[in-house]
Amino acid sequence: DAGITQSPRHKVTETGTPVTLRCHQTENHRYMYWYRQDPGHGLRLIHYSYGVKDTDKGEVSDGYSVSRSKTEDFLLTLESATSSQTSVYFCAIRQGANTGELFFGEGSRLTVL
Amino acid sequence: QQQVKQSPQSLIVQKGGISIINCAYENTAFDYFPWYQQFPGKGPALLIAIRPDVSEKKEGRFTISFNKSAKQFSLHIMDSQPGDSATYFCAASTSGTYKYIFGTGTRLKVLA
Repeated sequence: DAGITQSPRHKVTETGTPVTLRCHQTENHRYMYWYRQDPGHGLRLIHYSYGVKDTDKGEVSDGYSVSRSKTEDFLLTLESATSSQTSVYFCAIRQGANTGELFFGEGSRLTVL
Repeated sequence: QQQVKQSPQSLIVQKGGISIINCAYENTAFDYFPWYQQFPGKGPALLIAIRPDVSEKKEGRFTISFNKSAKQFSLHIMDSQPGDSATYFCAASTSGTYKYIFGTGTRLKVLA
């Protein structure tokens, strides 16, 4: 299994403040993803990356930006957090060239007051 | 735009019964259809997956049935156990983009 570490695991912040979530992997997987999970909406793709400095938008990218300057790190930034961004955020990596399996981190719970 | 529609939202099954969860997709370019299982406080984990060149795949008590013409696929859990109680997500992706789109999830409760 790939080692994925998400940080912070829990964060409470106020509306209008910037927030950065970090996803760190210990193996050289090319594809990394950020999802948010909300009741009734399931898992929705925010952004994903297919290599260093190569990123693309997902279904719900408005209000979010990402960066990937190193293979092992994929950062998700909320420039100005809003209450609608209160959610659980999951990072995932794609492992297995043929199987295409996504391996998820433990999640980061963000509350925006 | 929900490209993968999942039903039901919740499901209660007696121990030993069959649990069935359905998904429908719109994008005919999808060529990989996994199911994920998620326990409370954990990230989703791959359960079983299928590609459209086969109509069925079985792994233990878990079976995926795939209907390409109807653009539907389903997860069957045979002999359901209390330990199967979790949230299940279907998903779909396309080779090349590897952009995974998930359904809205089904919360399964298996009664002892």
